Amino acid sequence: GNSVTQMEGPVTLSEEAFLTINCTYTATGYPSLFWYVQYPGEGLQLLLKATKADDKGSNKGFEATYRKETTSFHLEKGSVQVSDSAVYFCALLAGANSKLTFGKGITLSVRP
Amino acid sequence: GAVVSQHPSWVICKSGTSVKIECRSLDFQATTMFWYRQFPKQSLMLMATSNEGSKATYEQGVEKDKFLINHASLTLSTLTVTSAHPEDSSFYICSAPAGGSNYGYTFGSGTRLTVV
Repeated sequence: GNSVTQMEGPVTLSEEAFLTINCTYTATGYPSLFWYVQYPGEGLQLLLKATKADDKGSNKGFEATYRKETTSFHLEKGSVQVSDSAVYFCALLAGANSKLTFGKGITLSVRP
Repeated sequence: GAVVSQHPSWVICKSGTSVKIECRSLDFQATTMFWYRQFPKQSLMLMATSNEGSKATYEQGVEKDKFLINHASLTLSTLTVTSAHPEDSSFYICSAPAGGSNYGYTFGSGTRLTVV
């Protein structure tokens, strides 16, 4: 079956630090990959996505590259801000009629 | 873009009462709606999938008589927590596919249910 594995958290960084959140996946076929962000007390928002190998998704300074050879979709940002503090979920969708499969999520806290 | 509106955003109810949560797709037709439950500091747990005009499909371990799902139109799905108990207190989130597998899902803003 499909699965998503995220690195263990939480992660605490100082403002302007470099961020990497690891995500690897197992899937049949050729999944689409997503990063969602959840701010406190809110639902999930799509942060970025990639639909095929070597695609790079980017938004708000965040980037992730779909690496088929390593089955990874690591999230990176060069300089985090306090406002980036949230929970980040890696997810995959394998086929139009499949269900979104989530990783466990990781909490990011950014200190001023 | 596709928007799912979820109401209420929070609700407090007494044990034994029922609570209805609504999710509306505002600018697209949602033939399918997914309902999730999220415990503090945990990931989302899929509870059920509602399909317009047919019975919902529940995940293993989810009580269908306790969590009633109705998807009567292409823009509205509801989750009713019946005879609520404190252990039902949680964060409930709905989502709908927004344009095929290349687009993922659009999520509602969530409902914080507290049963006292």
